Amino acid sequence: DIQLTQSPSSLSASVGDRVTITCRASQIISTYLNWYQQKPGKAPKLLIYAASSLQSGVPSRFSGSGSGTDFTLTISSLQPEDFAIYYCQQTFRTPPFTFGGGTKLEIK
Amino acid sequence: QVQLVESGGGVVQPGRSLRLSCAASGFTFSSYGMHWVRQAPGKGLEWVAVIWYDGSTKHYAASVKGRSTISRDSSTNTLFLQMNSLRADDTAVYYCAREILVVAATGLRRPYFDLWGQGTLVTVSS
Repeated sequence: DIQLTQSPSSLSASVGDRVTITCRASQIISTYLNWYQQKPGKAPKLLIYAASSLQSGVPSRFSGSGSGTDFTLTISSLQPEDFAIYYCQQTFRTPPFTFGGGTKLEIK
Repeated sequence: QVQLVESGGGVVQPGRSLRLSCAASGFTFSSYGMHWVRQAPGKGLEWVAVIWYDGSTKHYAASVKGRSTISRDSSTNTLFLQMNSLRADDTAVYYCAREILVVAATGLRRPYFDLWGQGTLVTVSS
């Protein structure tokens, strides 16, 4: 199975900061990498699909990049509502469609 | 409106069975592949199972394979997950999710999950 390693596992930042979260795959997955945001007690929400495509309705301060094995999610200017846990997910091969371990973004 | 609503969770003893349901509305259910994803308390997301839009193909995570069956009923727009021989480590919130297929760099069509239900909690405990 393809493993995804997210870093950092947790991150403290302030409103207005630029934040980058990294996801590394254990093998090449082209651009079949999605990003989700999850807030406490809520279902995950799709942010980015196919590594860099912004889901409809998601603010443009979110962006994704990468291909192969290394990917990043960037939030250009943190807003109060962005404090949450972020997960990457690969869907390259036939299942399982693994998720990364998550990055908890907290207020500094 | 477009939504997924899970039900069927609860407290169940180890070794027993449970069937989860996911009611879809506001979209053409029979046109979409559907997934189950679970999340143990305080833990990350774990993909569980997928069924293609027409029910022809199913895949399972190793952790549930042989104990669980995913199915769908397009006449009632409902997705199911039958779980047998439940264990303590099956305790989790179970989400259903709709997939959208995207063609990326290699030309393969692969999914992302654009719509999720609110989840239903399964607790396996004696």
